Amino acid sequence: EVQLVESGGGLVQPGGSLRLSCAASGFTLRSYWMHWVRQAPGKGLVWVSQINKDATSTKYADSVKGRFTISRDNAKNTLYLQMNSLRAEDTAVYYCARDGHYAYNVWGQGTLVTVSS
Amino acid sequence: QSALTQPPSVSGSPGQSVTISCTGTSSDVGSYNRVSWYQQSPGTAPKVIIYEVSNRPSGVPDRFSGSKSGNTASLTISGLQAEDEADYYCNSYTSDSTWVFGGGTKLTVL
Repeated sequence: EVQLVESGGGLVQPGGSLRLSCAASGFTLRSYWMHWVRQAPGKGLVWVSQINKDATSTKYADSVKGRFTISRDNAKNTLYLQMNSLRAEDTAVYYCARDGHYAYNVWGQGTLVTVSS
Repeated sequence: QSALTQPPSVSGSPGQSVTISCTGTSSDVGSYNRVSWYQQSPGTAPKVIIYEVSNRPSGVPDRFSGSKSGNTASLTISGLQAEDEADYYCNSYTSDSTWVFGGGTKLTVL
């Protein structure tokens, strides 16, 4: 079964850091571009970041540029999102998603990040 | 990276058709056929229902269809069913090689 499972979410203070992981199974991660998408409580989906197959190219939403870093370990079939200088407005469920035909065709279940003192 | 514009809500009765619009600019929707649509029920992850403007993944009913004209993409759901009640989001590639979602539309089946 093709599956993505996120982990690493939790409660963090403003200015703190967190690293999210996304473990892929049922397919070979190295064959796909990958994305992170977030959704604040009761709000809509927001694209956060993308990474190409071999991690030579990354893109970020303006709201996280310079604070978040996307990376991948294809040998471990795992995608990451390092989040630094976290703000209250980063509070959201974070989803990893697989790219297929320029769409997100496989999604994880999401992991909740709460930034609060 | 301004969000694409969707109506906050639409509604229809079972059996009717509804259309959800997604308006962008010449820097995103208007320039690329990389527009997709997602259905999200409460408490669940989104699910792709349309990719590359008008293509349906396997398993998605043909009641769902997509189109694009100029800077506006549209999702049409025909033969509305109670199970279609959900939030719907559009997404597009942009000229700065990033991606942008619409604000989302809540579909109510009356």
